[in-house]
Amino acid sequence: EDQVTQSPEALRLQEGESSSLNCSYTVSGLRGLFWYRQDPGKGPEFLFTLYSAGEEKEKERLKATLTKKESFLHITAPKPEDSATYLCAVRVETSGSRLTFGEGTQLTVNP
Amino acid sequence: DARVTQTPRHKVTEMGQEVTMRCQPILGHNTVFWYRQTMMQGLELLAYFRNRAPLDDSGMPKDRFSAEMPDATLATLKIQPSEPRDSAVYFCASGLVLGQSTGELFFGEGSRLTVL
Repeated sequence: EDQVTQSPEALRLQEGESSSLNCSYTVSGLRGLFWYRQDPGKGPEFLFTLYSAGEEKEKERLKATLTKKESFLHITAPKPEDSATYLCAVRVETSGSRLTFGEGTQLTVNP
Repeated sequence: DARVTQTPRHKVTEMGQEVTMRCQPILGHNTVFWYRQTMMQGLELLAYFRNRAPLDDSGMPKDRFSAEMPDATLATLKIQPSEPRDSAVYFCASGLVLGQSTGELFFGEGSRLTVL
């Protein structure tokens, strides 16, 4: 069975304190790993798609990387507005367009 | 500004009542998804459609849930009869899926359902 595990469950940072969120996966035939951001009371908002090990994507203070077993979302010098729940999801060969989501990491950045 | 629109945003109902949630996907998107989010289970896929045809509804309790796309601008999710364990936030998402690429999914703001 395909599994996606995110850690930590919650992370509290001071503004400017860089850190990383982890998404580990056990799947057969990865077809894409996706990162989403979700604010309270809102739907998830797309951040990145990664397709193969070694791939990296960047957007402002966020950088996503992918290995054969996990993905990291690096947050450099975070600001309070980066506070949100970050979700990762995978698409696999046998699942069509279905995305399987992890439980998320709730990030709080204090000023 | 293209967005996925869901109604109602909030619904409180009593056990046994019928609930219908509606979604207007983004024009031009060919794939529509229904997800359910709870604290215990996170985001779970209930069903999805490609060009209005149902492709996967394996995540949906078949005895009480039904999903349809009567036309390209409307997707519906119906629960009949509703039960307290159905309380959750239901999200609709749409995307343009071409070949093997899932592409970006756009989520609506969700319908928060409370069944008493």
